[in-house]
Amino acid sequence: GAVVSQHPSWVICKSGTSVKIECRSLDFQATTMFWYRQFPKQSLMLMATSNEGSKATYEQGVEKDKFLINHASLTLSTLTVTSAHPEDSSFYICSARQGFGGYTFGSGTRLTVV
Amino acid sequence: QQQVKQSPQSLIVQKGGISIINCAYENTAFDYFPWYQQFPGKGPALLIAIRPDVSEKKEGRFTISFNKSAKQFSLHIMDSQPGDSATYFCAASQGSGNTGKLIFGQGTTLQVKP
Repeated sequence: GAVVSQHPSWVICKSGTSVKIECRSLDFQATTMFWYRQFPKQSLMLMATSNEGSKATYEQGVEKDKFLINHASLTLSTLTVTSAHPEDSSFYICSARQGFGGYTFGSGTRLTVV
Repeated sequence: QQQVKQSPQSLIVQKGGISIINCAYENTAFDYFPWYQQFPGKGPALLIAIRPDVSEKKEGRFTISFNKSAKQFSLHIMDSQPGDSATYFCAASQGSGNTGKLIFGQGTTLQVKP
């Protein structure tokens, strides 16, 4: 079945630094990738949608300059949290989709900013 | 219009019992309705999904009931087991649309007591 690998699974960074999270589709070409954010005991909130080779579309209220998304190939999308602050600490999850097929989720990245 | 409302927020069921979680949506353009299971610290995993051309879909102990006219769908977990204890999310998307954004319900924490 479709597998999405997300890396790292957890990361601790200092306030003011940047962190990059990778999302790879291992056995299919992901024409569309989605990035979600999840706070403890809450639902998944869509941050942005990216199609290979084009700029990401951000949801209302999500800062484009803080959360940089790159979808350079059909198997890789990255989310970079720039100038991270403690309030950016959260669980970030990617999802990949091939055409109009189902959605496959990564295992998530726990980001802690200290 | 993009909201998916899920209830109950939490559910306690005895082993062997039936767990029922309900969701309602507004956007009639939604055409894909999946249910996900999530364990702490993990990404969501697809349990079962349905499209609006059928009223029910069953896979093992999991059944989705879909009521298009009421814009509601529900997940039934038969013979609930302690291993089913997790958070369950319903979701909806306009899967054939340009973006195919997957919108999640608020989540239901299920506890199955031995």
